[in-house]
Amino acid sequence: GAVVSQHPSWVICKSGTSVKIECRSLDFQATTMFWYRQFPKQSLMLMATSNEGSKATYEQGVEKDKFLINHASLTLSTLTVTSAHPEDSSFYICSAPPASGTYEQYFGPGTRLTVT
Amino acid sequence: GDSVTQMEGPVTLSEEAFLTINCTYTATGYPSLFWYVQYPGEGLQLLLKATKADDKGSNKGFEATYRKETTSFHLEKGSVQVSDSAVYFCALDGEGAQKLVFGQGTRLTINP
Repeated sequence: GAVVSQHPSWVICKSGTSVKIECRSLDFQATTMFWYRQFPKQSLMLMATSNEGSKATYEQGVEKDKFLINHASLTLSTLTVTSAHPEDSSFYICSAPPASGTYEQYFGPGTRLTVT
Repeated sequence: GDSVTQMEGPVTLSEEAFLTINCTYTATGYPSLFWYVQYPGEGLQLLLKATKADDKGSNKGFEATYRKETTSFHLEKGSVQVSDSAVYFCALDGEGAQKLVFGQGTRLTINP
């Protein structure tokens, strides 16, 4: 089946620095990708929709200047957490539908970010 | 806004036991409903789906029926196996835009 990868799987950074997380669709093209955030023992919350070739669409309450999303190609979306703070520590998950109009989505394994 | 509520876990059962994980939802329209499963160290995988009222989704022995009157989509399996141990997420797509709203997840552990 279709595979979505994320890199890194785990990252630790210091407060004030920025960290980039990559999401790749390995065997299909994705014009749209989604970024979710998951707090411990809580649900996944949609942060933004990443659109290839255009600006990302952010959900209400998500700071777009803090969570920069770039969808530079049909197989890669990146999420950059800028000026990270300890409260940004979380599990970040991306997903991608293999085709428009399909209910199927493929999820990456997630990236655990710890800000010290 | 739309929301999904799942029964809290963790749930621990013995092999071959009957499983029910409750899921109810709130949505303004007519959402599509999903169950996703996350095995240790892996990404979420679609387990089953239902796109309209009274539809029954099924896969790998799991079933869930879209009940509009009770706004529910409970997950059931008649005889669980150790390999079913995972975290299960109920989710909905209320807009048809592939933007999912998730429940909080239920961790299931099956003991041999």
